[in-house]
Amino acid sequence: GAVVSQHPSRVICKSGTSVKIECRSLDFQATTMFWYRQFPKQSLMLMATSNEGSKATYEQGVEKDKFLINHASLTLSTLTVTSAHPEDSSFYICSARDEGTGEKLFFGSGTQLSVL
Amino acid sequence: GENVEQHPSTLSVQEGDSAVIKCTYSDSASNYFPWYKQELGKGPQLIIDIRSNVGEKKDQRIAVTLNKTAKHFSLHITETQPEDSAVYFCAAILTGGGNKLTFGTGTQLKVEL
Repeated sequence: GAVVSQHPSRVICKSGTSVKIECRSLDFQATTMFWYRQFPKQSLMLMATSNEGSKATYEQGVEKDKFLINHASLTLSTLTVTSAHPEDSSFYICSARDEGTGEKLFFGSGTQLSVL
Repeated sequence: GENVEQHPSTLSVQEGDSAVIKCTYSDSASNYFPWYKQELGKGPQLIIDIRSNVGEKKDQRIAVTLNKTAKHFSLHITETQPEDSAVYFCAAILTGGGNKLTFGTGTQLKVEL
């Protein structure tokens, strides 16, 4: 299947700092990417839809100024957690749809964020 | 919107036995149903999917069945192995437009030796 690369896999930061997570589609172009958050032993919660060349669409309850999304190219979307606090600690996962195969959605390996 | 329920939440089987995970969905218009396997600390991996115009699909030890009338779909894993131990998520979507994938709550599968 298609490969989605996500970096970093793990990050530990101090409260108040910002953290950037990158999501790349390695062998396909993705006009749309998705960002999820996952708490331990829970399902994936969609945070926002990242659209290449336009503003991201955020789900209800997700602060767009807190979670900045940029989708500057057809293969790269970034999620920046601004002024991170301990409650932002979570597993963040990106995904991308390989439009060449239709509806198939492929996921990155996830980023475990720990805010001290 | 779509709502997906998944059962059981945990499933323990002996190596070599079969495992079945069931999901129900609410939106009869949904037409694509993928299954994902997630190992600890990793992202979900697409293992099999099925479209609504097909009743069953098989890939080696994994199969998915779909009952459109009842709005049920199931994952079947035969001859389970320890490496099958993971969390499995079902999902449903009406493809096209801005529709989003809706995930089930997950099943923790443990294959015991």
